[in-house]
Amino acid sequence: RKEVEQDPGPFNVPEGATVAFNCTYSNSASQSFFWYRQDCRKEPKLLMSVYSSGNEDGRFTAQLNRASQYISLLIRDSKLSDSATYLCVVNMEDDMRFGAGTRLTVKP
Amino acid sequence: DAGVTQSPTHLIKTRGQQVTLRCSPKSGHDTVSWYQQALGQGPQFIFQYYEEEERQRGNFPDRFSGHQFPNYSSELNVNALLLGDSALYLCASSLRLANTGELFFGEGSRLTVL
Repeated sequence: RKEVEQDPGPFNVPEGATVAFNCTYSNSASQSFFWYRQDCRKEPKLLMSVYSSGNEDGRFTAQLNRASQYISLLIRDSKLSDSATYLCVVNMEDDMRFGAGTRLTVKP
Repeated sequence: DAGVTQSPTHLIKTRGQQVTLRCSPKSGHDTVSWYQQALGQGPQFIFQYYEEEERQRGNFPDRFSGHQFPNYSSELNVNALLLGDSALYLCASSLRLANTGELFFGEGSRLTVL
C-alpha cells in the first residue's frame, strides 16, 4: 500500500462547479497534513494545512478523518485559475510524503 | 528575500555518469529536503539534511547521496546514472523549529539521462 494515495483524476469541470479530492494515508502515527498546489512545470506551493476540526480558506475546505486515515479538499465555485495539480501531503516522522497528485482542469 | 535557488536548471547526462545538483535554501531556513519528481507523479522524498547531517531518508539506493554545508546550502549527488533517474529534482527548505510543515521549493533541476 502506498504511503499516500489520491484520486487518480484527471478532473475536468466547468467554471462554477464544486469539486472534491480525496486522499488516504497509511501511517496512523502521522501528525500533520497539507494540501499543496502545483502548476504545470512549476514547483509545489502550500495551499492549506488540514486540521482535525476541518478548516476553510475562502472557496477551499479541508477535512481530516483520523479514524479512517482520510483527507479531503473541497473547492467551491471553481475558477479557471484553479486549474493545477493538487498534492496531498502527510508529515511522517518529520519528513513530508506526497501523493501522486490529482490534476484539475476548469473549463469555461 | 531570496527564495530557494537550485542549479543547474537543466542538464543532460549519459548512463553511468555522475551528477551533482545544488541548492541554496530560503534565507533563515536550516533544513533542506530533496525530492525526485518523475513526469506525472508526485514528488518522492529522497532525504533531508539538518545540521549538516542526513536526518531522514526515503526509499532510494546508495547511489543517491548528499551533503549540507555550514551555510545550510546542500548538494545532491547521483552516481552511476540510470535512464530511470531522469526526473525533476526538487529542493525544499524549511525552518525546523517552526514546525509548520510548510516547505518552500526551488524551481528544480531537470535531469535527462540518455
